[in-house]
Amino acid sequence: DAKTTQPPSMDCAEGRAANLPCNHSTISGNEYVYWYRQIHSQGPQYIIHGLKNNETNEMASLIITEDRKSSTLILPHATLRDTAVYYCIGANNNAGNMLTFGGGTRLMVKP
Amino acid sequence: DAGVIQSPRHEVTEMGQEVTLRCKPISGHNSLFWYRQTMMRGLELLIYFNNNVPIDDSGMPEDRFSAKMPNASFSTLKIQPSEPRDSAVYFCASSPEGGIDTDTQYFGPGTRLTVL
Repeated sequence: DAKTTQPPSMDCAEGRAANLPCNHSTISGNEYVYWYRQIHSQGPQYIIHGLKNNETNEMASLIITEDRKSSTLILPHATLRDTAVYYCIGANNNAGNMLTFGGGTRLMVKP
Repeated sequence: DAGVIQSPRHEVTEMGQEVTLRCKPISGHNSLFWYRQTMMRGLELLIYFNNNVPIDDSGMPEDRFSAKMPNASFSTLKIQPSEPRDSAVYFCASSPEGGIDTDTQYFGPGTRLTVL
């Protein structure tokens, strides 16, 4: 799996967009970019994933650069309940669906 | 759907005792994963089953740890004998099989293990 690099922490004002960056310069052509988050004392929760194209769902948007070396997770209107650790993961289904979690970004949404 | 179910939610035991953690995956999911999370090491994959068969157990720390999946709806992670350094939150996750994408994993609430 590709190694990913994320800032250890970020703050965001409630109601504003939260933009969480991730570098994955060693990602291979068949590796997807997955985002999970972990709210305190809970199990990780799937957010979104993508390969090349930008993706959007009810939780977030994922913007992947054309060279696929980096991506940004966007929470369009952050709420206090979005305070969590966000993990960016490069995953290859040839690896048997295994995910390797790094340190993630601790997002603090402030009122 | 009840999601992934883990039991117990909390376990406190003494060093040397046997500990058994239990997991019920989401019905219809073919893959099951056991993870361990500590402050020092973060979230680590211990073992992965596909169709009840262990596929990769390279993350299992040592022989004191064992995992089984006797059927599609139940898995156990056993530690015998337990040691204080095993104290952690243990998560179970499941995912459906197949497809072009790496499948999404659905995590349980975790079991917080404390070994005194």
